[in-house]
Amino acid sequence: AQSVTQLDSQVPVFEEAPVELRCNYSSSVSVYLFWYVQYPNQGLQLLLKYLSGSTLVKGINGFEAEFNKSQTSFHLRKPSVHISDTAEYFCAVSRASGSRLTFGEGTQLTVNP
Amino acid sequence: EPEVTQTPSHQVTQMGQEVILRCVPISNHLYFYWYRQILGQKVEFLVSFYNNEISEKSEIFDDQFSVERPDGSNFTLKIRSTKLEDSAMYFCASSVLSFDEQYFGPGTRLTVT
Repeated sequence: AQSVTQLDSQVPVFEEAPVELRCNYSSSVSVYLFWYVQYPNQGLQLLLKYLSGSTLVKGINGFEAEFNKSQTSFHLRKPSVHISDTAEYFCAVSRASGSRLTFGEGTQLTVNP
Repeated sequence: EPEVTQTPSHQVTQMGQEVILRCVPISNHLYFYWYRQILGQKVEFLVSFYNNEISEKSEIFDDQFSVERPDGSNFTLKIRSTKLEDSAMYFCASSVLSFDEQYFGPGTRLTVT
């Protein structure tokens, strides 16, 4: 079975500051990794995914994440955040041979002016 | 852009009643999923569905739950006799391939009183 830990439940930052949202996973088999964003009263939207290849993955809205197999991490970064980035961010993992997504607890990113 | 839709957006029901939550996945997708998110908790996988049968289910998905694809477009989740602890946001998702990006609907908030 796999599990996901998001180390920060809340991250407050100022506009235009850089941000990193941390995610660690545990799995005995190969996995695929995803970051989803949930804006208030909306569903989950995919930010980026890692299936294979380059460990640095670029996604929408200027976000990127780096897969680190030795540290079993998949941290999400953005060099300069906007007020509109305020949302809940979820890290998720699936087995390479399966389909169910296992989610972390979520990180609430709040961008202040 | 195609999207997953869900109805209703909010359903209130009394304990012991049956509810059916409806979803219209993206038309060319082959894999369908239900997840739920109890308030303040992480998103949890319930079931995946492919080729008109359940491909995977979690321990949450007991005999009280069932899924169906009654026609070529709808995908439903039925809870036979609702309990207070079934109160949650229920998300439907679909994907083209089993391991690829899952597109989520906006969710149905189920409140059991």
